[in-house]
Amino acid sequence: DTEVTQTPKHLVMGMTNKKSLKCEQHMGHRAMYWYKQKAKKPPELMFVYSYEKLSINESVPSRFSPECPNSSLLNLHLHALQPEDSALYLCASSHRTSGRNEQYFGPGTRLTVT
Amino acid sequence: GIQVEQSPPDLILQEGANSTLRCNFSDSVNNLQWFHQNPWGQLINLFYIPSGTKQNGRLSATTVATERYSLLYISSSQTTDSGVYFCAVHNQGGSEKLVFGKGTKLTVNP
Repeated sequence: DTEVTQTPKHLVMGMTNKKSLKCEQHMGHRAMYWYKQKAKKPPELMFVYSYEKLSINESVPSRFSPECPNSSLLNLHLHALQPEDSALYLCASSHRTSGRNEQYFGPGTRLTVT
Repeated sequence: GIQVEQSPPDLILQEGANSTLRCNFSDSVNNLQWFHQNPWGQLINLFYIPSGTKQNGRLSATTVATERYSLLYISSSQTTDSGVYFCAVHNQGGSEKLVFGKGTKLTVNP
């Protein structure tokens, strides 16, 4: 099973709302990732969790707050977002073992900030 | 950081045609992946191919690591092949960051 699931599929939120995106994998992967993708652009890395610890934060604004409750789950908490944060948010996971680090992506959450 | 360039940026084919997509990278890599992003946004893994040649049905890929490029071949294209094809690499040296090229947008017309 090479499936990464994400909920919700679509999310519309106002600039004063607080919401969360969720990601889950059951492949035994020990690294999980959040990416942001704007229209007609490639995905851009936001955060990496390795063995449930934050290992990379690509200078993401604090209105995005990641959380890794356990090795299968990854959340992205959203607060006081701006309209320019509207994008497709992709979660990915990988084995994080030496030699092979193939990443598998979820279907994404399409976020609209009004 | 490592640079990834894909060509061509856009490609329009008739159904049944063959095509070759190219990915050049500026430094040694220990991971190279090809993805197909469908119109709904899903990134589908096509190949994990840091070196060598692999085939999967009508698709095949070759990476020549010493010359820092990879090629994706699509034969007998179908309308369902439409979408954006991304090449993404990890630098050698252990970085967890997957660096994407800008993609090739493929349109297959019936």
